[in-house]
Amino acid sequence: QVHLVQSGAEVKKPGASVKVSCKASGYTFISYGISWVRQAPGQGLEWMGWISGYNGNTNFAQNLQGRVTMTTDTSTSTAYMELRSLRSDDTAVYYCARDRGAVAGDFDFWGQGTLVTVSS
Amino acid sequence: QSVLTQPPSVSGAPGQRVSISCTGSSSNIGAGYDVHWYQQLPGTAPKLLIYGNSNRPSGVPDRFSGSKSGTSASLAITGLQAEDEADYYCQSYDSRLSGKVFGGGTKLTVL
Repeated sequence: QVHLVQSGAEVKKPGASVKVSCKASGYTFISYGISWVRQAPGQGLEWMGWISGYNGNTNFAQNLQGRVTMTTDTSTSTAYMELRSLRSDDTAVYYCARDRGAVAGDFDFWGQGTLVTVSS
Repeated sequence: QSVLTQPPSVSGAPGQRVSISCTGSSSNIGAGYDVHWYQQLPGTAPKLLIYGNSNRPSGVPDRFSGSKSGTSASLAITGLQAEDEADYYCQSYDSRLSGKVFGGGTKLTVL
């Protein structure tokens, strides 16, 4: 069975960086990509970007380019998302999801979510 | 303002049928990109409900169905049950943004 397990909640100050991990199990990691999706309190879902589990290629949402980095460690089947220069409006639950295609793919399995709070 | 437009809320009585629309444009749904639907129960991660416009993953009841036409897609739920009360999101790809996009979400209330 597919599982995505994310790292724990974080509290950061404005201007700091946060790195969230997502450990995958139950499938061949390099056969799928990982997308990151965030949800601000009481708001909808926002796609942040995608990383290939095969070769590390990435595609980021235009509004986050320059502030976000996504990486993978295929030896541990783990994906990472780092967001820099944090602002209060980055406070959200961050999800990783298995992505079945860089363009047309859906998100068929999701992590449990990681709450990132940005506050001075 | 989401690229894909959904009604903020819909409601229906148990046993009834409801439909949730997802309206896009020529750079996403109208360009032929697939639409997927997710159900998010309160306090939980989203769950894939419909993929590739009209396909149900294993375990999703056939009360849920999806369709797509032109620049819009639709999720239908028949035989409403109390457990269907959740937020529903559509998702596709937008060529103008070169990325994946979600609708703003629709809150379903079972009366």
